[in-house]
Amino acid sequence: SQQGEEDPQALSIQEGENATMNCSYKTSINNLQWYRQNSGRGLVHLILIRSNEREKHSGRLRVTLDTSKKSSSLLITASRAADTASYFCATDGDYKLTFGKGTLLTVNP
Amino acid sequence: DAGVIQSPRHEVTEMGQEVTLRCKPISGHNSLFWYRQTMMRGLELLIYFNNNVPIDDSGMPEDRFSAKMPNASFSTLKIQPSEPRDSAVYFCASSLQGAIAEAFFGQGTRLTVV
Repeated sequence: SQQGEEDPQALSIQEGENATMNCSYKTSINNLQWYRQNSGRGLVHLILIRSNEREKHSGRLRVTLDTSKKSSSLLITASRAADTASYFCATDGDYKLTFGKGTLLTVNP
Repeated sequence: DAGVIQSPRHEVTEMGQEVTLRCKPISGHNSLFWYRQTMMRGLELLIYFNNNVPIDDSGMPEDRFSAKMPNASFSTLKIQPSEPRDSAVYFCASSLQGAIAEAFFGQGTRLTVV
């Protein structure tokens, strides 16, 4: 079963705009992670946020976590065409690393 | 390190045949995960190992699927007999510390059962 669910399923923006993706999950977690997948490739880890953290930054990425609402968001600022990919959140509930179905982000040049 | 290595990259087989997928995790990682990805069902966790021991195989779809990890540097996922509905991309991933640490994924094996 899917632990995390991303929203929206698909997002199309223009280069330079910001992209926000959301993730909701069901059980308690230690950490929440975000991954990226380019078409036909394996997933690549982007950022990990611990359950006692509320916000974390890495370059153009900003992740927030609200454990009371069991939700997280990933913000990509000043998007580039190369950011076009699918983005997944992953949770470690029940000590298993499970993924949502992802958000397909398209950044138009 | 070369990262997680999976083989083969592509596999086309006939229904009823046995299929074996292989994975070499990153040296020093003690956890290994097998996932299946399809458009309909997304990324499903099939099984994961900790220190070569299967910890949770509740995601294995049925008895036709089996996985082994004979040592810290090698794992296999076997499907016998294969069926068309098994067609998917199968990923192997490894991490330093189970689900709470960053997972490193292989490039996947695209399986087509005809």
